[in-house]
Amino acid sequence: AQSVTQLGSHVSVSEGALVLLRCNYSSSVPPYLFWYVQYPNQGLQLLLKYTSAATLVKGINGFEAEFKKSETSFHLTKPSAHMSDAAEYFCAVSDGFMDSNYQLIWGAGTKLIIKP
Amino acid sequence: NAGVMQNPRHLVRRRGQEARLRCSPMKGHSHVYWYRQLPEEGLKFMVYLQKENIIDESGMPKERFSAEFPKEGPSILRIQQVVRGDSAAYFCASSPVQGGTEAFFGQGTRLTVV
Repeated sequence: AQSVTQLGSHVSVSEGALVLLRCNYSSSVPPYLFWYVQYPNQGLQLLLKYTSAATLVKGINGFEAEFKKSETSFHLTKPSAHMSDAAEYFCAVSDGFMDSNYQLIWGAGTKLIIKP
Repeated sequence: NAGVMQNPRHLVRRRGQEARLRCSPMKGHSHVYWYRQLPEEGLKFMVYLQKENIIDESGMPKERFSAEFPKEGPSILRIQQVVRGDSAAYFCASSPVQGGTEAFFGQGTRLTVV
């Protein structure tokens, strides 16, 4: 069975510092991987996705994630944090059947806190 | 184009009451998905509906929960005789086609059962 683990329910970084949000998955087939963001008082928004093309995926707002099969990881990074990045971030995996990706398996989420 | 609208944002119900959660999809979207997020857990798929049809309800609890997406009006997730364990955030998403990554999410409804 697929599963997703996000390390750290809360991550705090200073403005301008590197952002690293960790996501590890388990899947018996090549996965499709996603990062979603939920800004305060807003719905979930797709940040980026990995669908078996390039292993380094660039998303919106300067975020990127690297698929590492050997480590079963899909960590999200951003070189320099902005105050506007404060939000909750969710990692999700599907079994690669894009037509049914409403059956995504979700991580529990990581709240990113930006210190001035 | 307004996004996916869910209401109410917060709902408090006493044990045994009914909860009705509404989801208006984005204009032009005929596919709706409901998810539940229990405290400290990830989202869990509940049900997938198209207009007037339930396509996949494999994630719905067998009792007390029902969902509909009528020809006119919003999709409704209905929870009868709520219990404390139903307290959660309920998210709705909509898409113009099935699945893919075109699904757009609402802000969620936070249900608290007291």
